[in-house]
Amino acid sequence: SQQGEEDPQALSIQEGENATMNCSYKTSINNLQWYRQNSGRGLVHLILIRSNEREKHSGRLRVTLDTSKKSSSLLITASRAADTASYFCATSRRRGAQKLVFGQGTRLTINP
Amino acid sequence: EPEVTQTPSHQVTQMGQEVILRCVPISNHLYFYWYRQILGQKVEFLVSFYNNEISEKSEIFDDQFSVERPDGSNFTLKIRSTKLEDSAMYFCASSEAGQGVGAPTDTQYFGPGTRLTVL
Repeated sequence: SQQGEEDPQALSIQEGENATMNCSYKTSINNLQWYRQNSGRGLVHLILIRSNEREKHSGRLRVTLDTSKKSSSLLITASRAADTASYFCATSRRRGAQKLVFGQGTRLTINP
Repeated sequence: EPEVTQTPSHQVTQMGQEVILRCVPISNHLYFYWYRQILGQKVEFLVSFYNNEISEKSEIFDDQFSVERPDGSNFTLKIRSTKLEDSAMYFCASSEAGQGVGAPTDTQYFGPGTRLTVL
């Protein structure tokens, strides 16, 4: 399959700390996206990184992509209680490809 | 900010019944998708739709499933005869046209989902 694993499966940290989540995949990709899902809710798009990019920032989010290792990481700095959610990576094999393949997700809990 | 909407938020049905899940994609988007998430599992791609036809579908999307864009705003997923294993959260998504002919942009915007419970 296209998608590998995300780790950790669950992460619990104190408010203000940084949270790092990792995603691995198995095939070549065109881009990788990170989504957030609050409990029982929809998926919110966070950031997209293309295969020719190594790092991208958006506010408190920093995403890295290592295509040689087929892995990506999502760093959330200065975490807040509102960051508590599940975080998923999703890969796409082609530009404009219409199928996203999701990972299992990391459940992040921010303790006040 | 424009968003994808879905109705109903929760649907309960008896096994064997037909259900229709409804979605209103973002108005200027041309590419539409359905995904599902069984409780505790990954989000799985079901089908993509463009120019009034299916452009890609997964193995999950068998003859029991169909999609339709009945008018200029709605996008529906029909399950003809529901099974217990169809119980899941169903997400609709849409994306806007990219620069190439027939190519969507890469970002898909998801709706809040419809929780389908088959008894």
